[in-house]
Amino acid sequence: DVKVTQSSRYLVKRTGEKVFLECVQDMDHENMFWYRQDPGLGLRLIYFSYDVKMKEKGDIPEGYSVSREKKERFSLILESASTNQTSMYLCASSPLVAGGPAEETQYFGPGTRLLVL
Amino acid sequence: QKEVEQDPGPLSVPEGAIVSLNCTYSNSAFQYFMWYRQYSRKGPELLMYTYSSGNKEDGRFTAQVDKSSKYISLFIRDSQPSDSATYLCAMSATVVDSNYQLIWGAGTKLIIKP
Repeated sequence: DVKVTQSSRYLVKRTGEKVFLECVQDMDHENMFWYRQDPGLGLRLIYFSYDVKMKEKGDIPEGYSVSREKKERFSLILESASTNQTSMYLCASSPLVAGGPAEETQYFGPGTRLLVL
Repeated sequence: QKEVEQDPGPLSVPEGAIVSLNCTYSNSAFQYFMWYRQYSRKGPELLMYTYSSGNKEDGRFTAQVDKSSKYISLFIRDSQPSDSATYLCAMSATVVDSNYQLIWGAGTKLIIKP
């Protein structure tokens, strides 16, 4: 079974703090993703990565950065947390398949619920 | 206007009912259509996917795509309380030089009452 783990299930941080969210997958997948999920808005892609040290901006990268130093690990960094970054953060991974995204099933972690006060 | 529209619900039905979940979309380039299921306090998991138009059946679940109407549906027959979850649609185009992103609906919360 594919397993995607996220470092924390719940986090409470103060405005202005630097926040690290970590994600680890154990299936040697090339692709990794960070989403945030908000009621009524669905999943919005923050950043994704096709390979080690590679990163691409998603739809809402502002206020976030990422790091992928090892294939199995993808970190999301909130440089200076703000209250509008209170959300559920989901990490996902998928294999690289020639057919593209439809063939590349995304496997999700359980999510980190972040509250910024 | 969002590229993918999905009624957030909640949709509450009695056990055993047939459930119909739907998404509409605006981008005619979408070719692949997926349904993910998300239980409370869990990440989404892929339920079904279809390519282009037509139907696909898997047990009690049927996915249907109508590209002419830009409308996709997920039907659940003989619904069970264990089907209670949020159902998200996702779709993508196949343009080679796209950035291969999935476009997601907001998710419909489904409640099956025993």
